[in-house]
Amino acid sequence: SVLTQPPSVSAAPGQRVTISCSGSRSNIGNNYVSWYQQLPGAAPKLLIYDNNKRPSEIPDRFSGSKSGTSATLGITGLQTGDEADYYCGTWDSSLSAVVFGGGTKLTVL
Amino acid sequence: QVQLQESGPGLVKPSETLSLTCTVSGGSVSSGNHYWSWIRQPPGKGLEWIAYLYYSGSTTYNPSLKSRVTISVDTSKSQFSLKLSSVTTADTAVYYCARVPDSYYYAMDVWGQGTTVTVSS
Repeated sequence: SVLTQPPSVSAAPGQRVTISCSGSRSNIGNNYVSWYQQLPGAAPKLLIYDNNKRPSEIPDRFSGSKSGTSATLGITGLQTGDEADYYCGTWDSSLSAVVFGGGTKLTVL
Repeated sequence: QVQLQESGPGLVKPSETLSLTCTVSGGSVSSGNHYWSWIRQPPGKGLEWIAYLYYSGSTTYNPSLKSRVTISVDTSKSQFSLKLSSVTTADTAVYYCARVPDSYYYAMDVWGQGTTVTVSS
């Protein structure tokens, strides 16, 4: 994938976890990042857009940030229901395409 | 509340054309505030963006698929469609349609449930 994410992360219920998304100047470095949650067997759901904005229905346990050519999704107060795959996405100006990370599987131990 | 629903054949033969439709309900595909998109996900793999469409007919395609993809809109039926020609087994995937608010910078805020398309003889 054009954007690089760790394959998996894990943490205990109630704890905080971060998921990284690394890219380059042509994508994350010069464009806004979005984050999606995909529960098993379901369609992706938008969590974060424009680097750090949340749709109104998304709880503030979810946050996004960007620095340079990397972005980070943070989740606090982990719940077993947060177990899912998480994807970052953005526009790549060189490719002229929307690109996604390979996805990170979150396990809540 | 806007809902999107994909429809089309679940099985397509190699070298044929895959055709899918996305029906928009609870809203209008003619909304000037949104783009409409197709994304796919091969089994066990990540997301791949296919194309964007504006109700006026303006389109943007993923360069990796551009030679085989056509998307179009039917405002009278509040639908938009995807055609992917010369399919191979590599095109087997769950295909999603999604809405993109023009203020959200390429982020998809409403997704269909997805439809599985298998390419096999």
